[in-house]
Amino acid sequence: DQQVKQNSPSLSVQEGRISILNCDYTNSMFDYFLWYKKYPAEGPTFLISISSIKDKNEDGRFTVFLNKSAKHLSLHIVPSQPGDSAVYFCAANNSGGSNYKLTFGKGTLLTVNP
Amino acid sequence: KAGVTQTPRYLIKTRGQQVTLSCSPISGHRSVSWYQQTPGQGLQFLFEYFSETQRNKGNFPGRFSGRQFSNSRSEMNVSTLELGDSALYLCASTRDAAASPLHFGNGTRLTVT
Repeated sequence: DQQVKQNSPSLSVQEGRISILNCDYTNSMFDYFLWYKKYPAEGPTFLISISSIKDKNEDGRFTVFLNKSAKHLSLHIVPSQPGDSAVYFCAANNSGGSNYKLTFGKGTLLTVNP
Repeated sequence: KAGVTQTPRYLIKTRGQQVTLSCSPISGHRSVSWYQQTPGQGLQFLFEYFSETQRNKGNFPGRFSGRQFSNSRSEMNVSTLELGDSALYLCASTRDAAASPLHFGNGTRLTVT
């Protein structure tokens, strides 16, 4: 049973436009959410996180939104750049327990076209 | 500050053999976790070590084991390799503090033939 779902395997956007990556979760115990970016032949790189006590967190071009009632989060990248082309993973955990055991979605491949 | 280092980067083994993968965490990080990434299952948690003790384990068979040394370096061992063990094995470390994210290494690509 997939507890974290990224329903779009891929997304293509034009440079300069907004990229919106979506993630849904089913486990109501999750209270800490993270986004990772992964280039081929490299490990995932931490991008941004959000605690369930917030509904928005910004870091430069990256903003994560959390809708707890819908069990949905999204990552907005504005403006998108060709270097953002990568696989993006959504991850979640119950931080009341541990912050090392993450449950990951299967990823969304983002392609930013020049 | 050096990142998480994993060796080797690539390994090719035959069914039935065993393999040992190594991981050096970020300096000061005492928690080391291992994940398996496959195209079908995505990233799945294997186990985590802290102060040389395994604190948690994912849903993997006993053929998958690990250990951590006093300097926080960790090794993962897979015995009696199966074709389905072919995957990217990722090590990650964290300060194990609230809201401290996992930092991943570049992984070891294991191919079992």
